Amino acid sequence: NAGVMQNPRHLVRRRGQEARLRCSPMKGHSHVYWYRQLPEEGLKFMVYLQKENIIDESGMPKERFSAEFPKEGPSILRIQQVVRGDSAAYFCASSPPNRGLADTQYFGPGTRLTVL
Amino acid sequence: AQSVTQLDSQVPVFEEAPVELRCNYSSSVSVYLFWYVQYPNQGLQLLLKYLSGSTLVKGINGFEAEFNKSQTSFHLRKPSVHISDTAEYFCAVSLNPYSGGSNYKLTFGKGTLLTVNP
Repeated sequence: NAGVMQNPRHLVRRRGQEARLRCSPMKGHSHVYWYRQLPEEGLKFMVYLQKENIIDESGMPKERFSAEFPKEGPSILRIQQVVRGDSAAYFCASSPPNRGLADTQYFGPGTRLTVL
Repeated sequence: AQSVTQLDSQVPVFEEAPVELRCNYSSSVSVYLFWYVQYPNQGLQLLLKYLSGSTLVKGINGFEAEFNKSQTSFHLRKPSVHISDTAEYFCAVSLNPYSGGSNYKLTFGKGTLLTVNP
């Protein structure tokens, strides 16, 4: 049973380019979460998605960042016109469809984004 | 808003020694508490979690943690560590949904790098 898959594992972009980060949840999971870890910081919640729905995007920066989780295919976190401050590790997590009191979130290995 | 403080960024220990990784949290409502471990080049893996009930929680790989409400702490312990325990350890909290919080939104500490030396 494959875990949460993220690709690419490392991504280098120049300022002004777009970054696309992909996350494939565990088989059977329909809830996806994105977190960002800035240097020397803990992981911070960005967004919670279910298939074709954004449930909570309270942690997303207001501009340049967007996320989707289509009916088919992986979840995508898109960062437009990247700046150096976007350099961070981006983690995706997934959980099963019937949410209990505190369903375990299963994390992927992360994508390390470096903006030159 | 809740917050998590992991007091030690790095903890070096010798193999077979006991270890305690400290975690304190701040929240105006009751919380759920978690410890995750991240091995090199891997995702975060849940070690244990506290939702309610007994304050001593046992997890995988011989780890345990104790919830102390008065000290707002959730320290992680292991009586005898192995080389294979070398990893980064993250403490996290989420809001108890019965307090009206969003229990899916984890707030993490900055992590503690545990290095076990032979």
